[in-house]
Amino acid sequence: GNSVTQMEGPVTLSEEAFLTINCTYTATGYPSLFWYVQYPGEGLQLLLKATKADDKGSNKGFEATYRKETTSFHLEKGSVQVSDSAVYFCAHLSGGYNKLIFGAGTRLAVHP
Amino acid sequence: GAGVSQSPSNKVTEKGKDVELRCDPISGHTALYWYRQSLGQGLEFLIYFQGNSAPDKSGLPSDRFSAERTGGSVSTLTIQRTQQEDSAVYLCASSPQAGGRETQYFGPGTRLLVL
Repeated sequence: GNSVTQMEGPVTLSEEAFLTINCTYTATGYPSLFWYVQYPGEGLQLLLKATKADDKGSNKGFEATYRKETTSFHLEKGSVQVSDSAVYFCAHLSGGYNKLIFGAGTRLAVHP
Repeated sequence: GAGVSQSPSNKVTEKGKDVELRCDPISGHTALYWYRQSLGQGLEFLIYFQGNSAPDKSGLPSDRFSAERTGGSVSTLTIQRTQQEDSAVYLCASSPQAGGRETQYFGPGTRLLVL
């Protein structure tokens, strides 16, 4: 069935470290892929998205590339900040492109 | 412009009571979605509305859950005879229309606690 698998957290990094959060998916067809972020006490916000193979989504220094051959959409950032501490969710649109299928979420904690 | 709004932000109820959760989508968005975020199940789809079409109810966990959307805008999610396992954050989202390239914009959620 359709699913999203992302690396378990928590991920703990020092400020300015490199971040990778792995995400792989199973889906029929070629779904759009998303990363959402949930900051402490806040709702889900779209971080970035990609709608077709080899597309790169980017925002706020974060990047992710839609890799059809490996069914992956790994999130990366070259230099994290304390303000990046949040829970990150990978997702794809499924069910006739109506419903988002989410991964379990990865909690990131960045320390000064 | 204004984002998706939900009310109440928090709701505490007793087991067996009915609750209603409200969602106001972004103006002009024709598609509306309900999701649930709980510790045990993560984020899961509940129901989807597109304009005046029949909703996709495939994610509703039981017949105690129902939702309606009046006038193609505001939506209400109703949980009858609440159970403790219904405790979760209920999220509403909207998008300009349904489709694979459309971004869903989420509201802040309603945190439901069933005692």
